[in-house]
Amino acid sequence: ETGVTQSPTHLIKTRGQQVTLRCSSQSGHNTVSWYQQALGQGPQFIFQYYREEENGRGNFPPRFSGLQFPNYSSELNVNALELDDSALYLCASSLRGGANTQYFGPGTRLTVL
Amino acid sequence: DQQVKQNSPSLSVQEGRISILNCDYTNSMFDYFLWYKKYPAEGPTFLISISSIKDKNEDGRFTVFLNKSAKHLSLHIVPSQPGDSAVYFCAASAPRGGSEKLVFGKGTKLTVNP
Repeated sequence: ETGVTQSPTHLIKTRGQQVTLRCSSQSGHNTVSWYQQALGQGPQFIFQYYREEENGRGNFPPRFSGLQFPNYSSELNVNALELDDSALYLCASSLRGGANTQYFGPGTRLTVL
Repeated sequence: DQQVKQNSPSLSVQEGRISILNCDYTNSMFDYFLWYKKYPAEGPTFLISISSIKDKNEDGRFTVFLNKSAKHLSLHIVPSQPGDSAVYFCAASAPRGGSEKLVFGKGTKLTVNP
């Protein structure tokens, strides 16, 4: 069974640029959630994707957007990067429906200069 | 307003003793609770979960207790081992209410001393 994978591992961007982060879900999982973890904080929910549609969104501006593909992999796109976007971005996969555990990938460390 | 609170930023215990990590929540809609363990530069690793229909769940050295009336849960690790040293996050969700997003606390850093 393949776990959740994310790419790239690290990324450095400058303010105003755009970034795309990628996630492959664990085999058998059909739902992907994205979280942002700032230093010293717990992960914060960005949004969730199920059947290629956004299914719930946290308190993040529209410049955070995403996609889910037919193979359940997902992308997180962030436009007009700001310094405060520097964080660890975590992807988690799960089975939709009920109390199903989310399993996390290793994360992408984004630094915005 | 933080809906999930871990009021102890850090905890230090001796190897072989019990570690008790605490978590409080405010949203009565939460009905599924999880504990994750996180090492630096890694993603959170799932440890154990509990549904609101239970008050205890056990998996090896890890036991989670849920007190719904107090909106409190705790994770017990017995016996504690140096490899347990990590940051532990409590998380909650409301799947029966239609929300599967996880709401996390800020974490408690556990150090187990040999």
